[in-house]
Amino acid sequence: TQLLEQSPQFLSIQEGENLTVYCNSSSVFSSLQWYRQEPGEGPVLLVTVVTGGEVKKLKRLTFQFGDARKDSSLHITAAQPGDTGLYLCAGEGSGGYQKVTFGTGTKLQVIP
Amino acid sequence: SAVISQKPSRDICQRGTSLTIQCQVDSQVTMMFWYRQQPGQSLTLIATANQGSEATYESGFVIDKFPISRPNLTFSTLTVSNMSPEDSSIYLCSGGWEYEQYFGPGTRLTVT
Repeated sequence: TQLLEQSPQFLSIQEGENLTVYCNSSSVFSSLQWYRQEPGEGPVLLVTVVTGGEVKKLKRLTFQFGDARKDSSLHITAAQPGDTGLYLCAGEGSGGYQKVTFGTGTKLQVIP
Repeated sequence: SAVISQKPSRDICQRGTSLTIQCQVDSQVTMMFWYRQQPGQSLTLIATANQGSEATYESGFVIDKFPISRPNLTFSTLTVSNMSPEDSSIYLCSGGWEYEQYFGPGTRLTVT
């Protein structure tokens, strides 16, 4: 069973602060996806990283895939209240077209 | 990308009854999955819906309890059978391709 542990589990910060969310596993993934979910809605795909060491930026969000493709991080710069939500990483098994295993989740609250 | 709709959005059901949830995708997708989620928590994969063949179930989930159909590349159903209060949860379907997956808004099920 492929497990993905996220840390921290909860995070409450002031608007304007920076934060990093970590996603760790002992398994190798062919890709790693990050989602944000708001109450009452389904998860929304933010980014997919595929290559070990890959870094992708989405406005104030920076995503990195570990060199060994076992871990990933999400860094948010100057957090805003609109960033509030449940952040989920998800690893896709090797070989393509495989099921996705979701991480344990990080609840982020950005206080105005 | 893909837009996914689910019906019903929520329901309250009596124990012992069954509910069928429908999932419609606006484009043909390679993969479709069904998940269960408790509010504020991560997603647990129930099964992979395979087009034209039996679904592939994860450990702890069985076909008699959660029969799934996928007659084509854009539609799937999940039935929650012989419901008990423990089945109260949010049920989400997703569809997509390699490296990208899109989610419906979920069906909030309460079993009394």
